[in-house]
Amino acid sequence: EVQLVESGGGLVQPGRSLRLSCSASGFIFGDYAMHWVRQAPGKGLEWVAGINWKSDTIGYADSVKGRFTISRDNAKNSLYLQMNSLRAEDTALYYCAKARTTGITAGDDHWGHGTLVTVSS
Amino acid sequence: DIQMTQSPSSLSAFVGDRVTITCRASQSIGKYLNWYQQKPGKAPKFLIYIASILQSGVPSRFNGSGSGTDFTLTISSLQPEDFATYFCQQGYSSPVTFGQGTKVEIK
Repeated sequence: EVQLVESGGGLVQPGRSLRLSCSASGFIFGDYAMHWVRQAPGKGLEWVAGINWKSDTIGYADSVKGRFTISRDNAKNSLYLQMNSLRAEDTALYYCAKARTTGITAGDDHWGHGTLVTVSS
Repeated sequence: DIQMTQSPSSLSAFVGDRVTITCRASQSIGKYLNWYQQKPGKAPKFLIYIASILQSGVPSRFNGSGSGTDFTLTISSLQPEDFATYFCQQGYSSPVTFGQGTKVEIK
């Protein structure tokens, strides 16, 4: 059974940093692209970042480009999101999602439960 | 970036009704269109990919169609468990973008 477990969320002040992690199990992690998708309270879904299976193709939403960095460690079955210069508008539930294929634009067939990030002073 | 626009934003329907949701892309995306269902407090569920291919385990009452810029998700006979919010997503190019969602409510 595919499992994705996010961690690292919490309350952080504007301008500070936070690192999210996603621990994956139940599939061959290194064979698939992975994504971070977020959802602000009461709002829709926003794709944040994607990384292909070998980390040589990476994409970001315009809203986070230059501030967030996605990375993965296939040996540890883990996905990460380093978030710097956080803003109030980054407040959201952050989901880790497994892509259907190796490409970063493929749909996501499995999702974690999310980790909540709140940016507030 | 490719903009995705869904219509309607919300709809009310009876159990048993046929429901159609439309998604329009700001430029041609071929068939690189996915659909998700999300219930309150839950993660999204993957329904359809490449515009019309049902993900494993998704009931056959769900149908996706379209290509280019115009796509539809049809639920042939709405069931109580189908009341949820539905999102389209383009997978043609990065950054990946979602529609704003369509909330399907009980009438």
